[in-house]
Amino acid sequence: DIVMTQSPDSLPVSLGERATINCKSSQSVLYSSNNKNYLAWYQQRPGQPPRLLIYWASTRESGVPDRFSGSGSGTDFTLTIGSLQAEDVAVYYCQQYYATPYTFGQGTELEIK
Amino acid sequence: QVHLQQSGPGLVKPSQTLSLTCAISGDSVSSNSVWNWIRQSPSRGLEWLGRTYYRSKWYNDYAVSLKSRITINPDTSKNQFSLQLNSVTPEDTAVYYCARESASGWAEYWGQGTLVTVSS
Repeated sequence: DIVMTQSPDSLPVSLGERATINCKSSQSVLYSSNNKNYLAWYQQRPGQPPRLLIYWASTRESGVPDRFSGSGSGTDFTLTIGSLQAEDVAVYYCQQYYATPYTFGQGTELEIK
Repeated sequence: QVHLQQSGPGLVKPSQTLSLTCAISGDSVSSNSVWNWIRQSPSRGLEWLGRTYYRSKWYNDYAVSLKSRITINPDTSKNQFSLQLNSVTPEDTAVYYCARESASGWAEYWGQGTLVTVSS
């Protein structure tokens, strides 16, 4: 199985500041035939299911604010929130869909400093 | 717009069978979509359990760790799919989600989640 490891586990950030969450996979999730990274990011607020934010490592889902951006390739990825808003307080997860079993990172809890 | 509505009991006794259903609106269980079950617990985090999909015939993929205990079945007459997990233990206590997988693999639509507690 591909192991996904996120850092940090918890991230306090001031409103209006940038937040950066990292995700590392135990093997590359870059598919050479189409040059796409099989990596998604989700946001989960308390009591709700995860919400898709980003797929193909850097493509924003429709309706996701442009302060959310994804980057990286191969085994190292980053989710950046450009200017933290109060509604961004949540747990963020990365997920690889390169191969089943699909696996998720352990989550990063984003909080207001 | 796709909507997934989950139903099923929130309490299951140890050694019994956990059964959940996910009713689909806005899509067909027999379409090109892929239908997943995922669970979440404090100890295991988000854990992919398995999926079902139709490509001229029905296919299933299951997590190896659960393969002897899990069944995911489509129900075309009711446009839904189900999860059965046999011989449950307290370690199977979790919030269970159904989800539609995109053509490429990310989970784009999720059910509301069902907390299932395994306890006598």
